Amino acid sequence: EVHLVESGGGLVQPGGSLRLSCEASGFSFGTFGMTWVRQAPGRGLEWVSAISASGGGTFYAPSVKGRFTISRDNSRNTVSLQMNSLRADDTAMYYCAKEFQSPPWSAFDVWGRGTLVAVSS
Amino acid sequence: DIVMSQSPLSLPVTPGEPASISCRSSQSLLHFNGNNYLGWYLQKPGQSPQLLMYLGSSRASGVPDRFSGSGSGTDFTLEISRVEAEDVGVYYCMQVLQTPYTFGQGTKLEIK
Repeated sequence: EVHLVESGGGLVQPGGSLRLSCEASGFSFGTFGMTWVRQAPGRGLEWVSAISASGGGTFYAPSVKGRFTISRDNSRNTVSLQMNSLRADDTAMYYCAKEFQSPPWSAFDVWGRGTLVAVSS
Repeated sequence: DIVMSQSPLSLPVTPGEPASISCRSSQSLLHFNGNNYLGWYLQKPGQSPQLLMYLGSSRASGVPDRFSGSGSGTDFTLEISRVEAEDVGVYYCMQVLQTPYTFGQGTKLEIK
């Protein structure tokens, strides 16, 4: 069965850093792109970042560009999100999701349960 | 950036009745390959989002056939032929034609 499990969330002060991880299982991880989507408390979904299967292509929302870095380790079936210079408006549940490839990048068909990030002093 | 707009934002429905959600994009989502890069997701209470439809009108695996998607270019619709209690939640459209990918505001479907 296909699974995505996020970890690394927690409480951090404004200006601080946090590294989220998403461990995948049940599929050939190195052949699929991955993405991060977040949801602030009581709000809608916001796309954050994506990375190609090889890791050679990375993409960011304007709100996080220059502060967040997405990466992946295909030998460990893991995608990560390094979050620096965190702000209060980064407070959210962060979900990782897997690319649906029929055709490539047409949707995201498997989602994790999320990891909660709270930025507060 | 492509702006996505959904309506209505709240949708009370009687079980067994149909429901319809509209999604409009600020730019055409029609790719040169002929596909519309528009997906629909449902987030049930307390759960992660789940994929319902991709490419505007293709049902994802395991999605009941009471769900259907239509539209092209900038105007899309998700229809539920007969709403069931398990369909409650927030429905989002999402464009994946170009980054930054963007979601609609969400439509909350509730049972009357």
